Amino acid sequence: AQRVTQPEKLLSVFKGAPVELKCNYSYSGSPELFWYVQYSRQRLQLLLRHISRESIKGFTADLNKGETSFHLKKPFAQEEDSAMYYCALRGGGSEKLVFGKGTKLTVNP
Amino acid sequence: DAGITQSPRYKITETGRQVTLMCHQTWSHSYMFWYRQDLGHGLRLIYYSAAADITDKGEVPDGYVVSRSKTENFPLTLESATRSQTSVYFCASVAPAGAYEQYFGPGTRLTVT
Repeated sequence: AQRVTQPEKLLSVFKGAPVELKCNYSYSGSPELFWYVQYSRQRLQLLLRHISRESIKGFTADLNKGETSFHLKKPFAQEEDSAMYYCALRGGGSEKLVFGKGTKLTVNP
Repeated sequence: DAGITQSPRYKITETGRQVTLMCHQTWSHSYMFWYRQDLGHGLRLIYYSAAADITDKGEVPDGYVVSRSKTENFPLTLESATRSQTSVYFCASVAPAGAYEQYFGPGTRLTVT
């Protein structure tokens, strides 16, 4: 079974502090992992995916197959990072995504 | 960004009524999806479609019906709305094989009274 777990419903940090949003997954094969973000009053959009290994808006995420994790990190949080973040998994050649329950990040001034 | 649109954006209906949520995309993407977003549950897949006239159930299909007679449209119908179907509904699409990004619509906030 495919499952994505985001253990924190809410995460609050101060501007300039490091932030880490946790994501763990359960999948028997080689998954594709993604982070989607939903800013207030906006639609969901892709933030990054593990294959690209790129940094978007200062965020990075590394796939750790040993720990089955795909945590999202940013060294210095900004107020505009406040949003809902969803970790998602795609596997088995399917186009379907399995989403975690989401983490609401609030960056305080 | 008019690539994928949903209508209506807000809807209030009564228990037992039928309601249809519309989704339209202009990219000719083959795959389309319907999700519901609920506090504490995140996004859950209701139905998806690989192409016109090809649909399949997702995680939470009960109480919903879909059709896809044209590639660009993917309506979602609640045949007899219940209060538990109060939610925000998102439609999404993705291009053919090899693409990885799902593009989401703006959502429809449905309230069943």
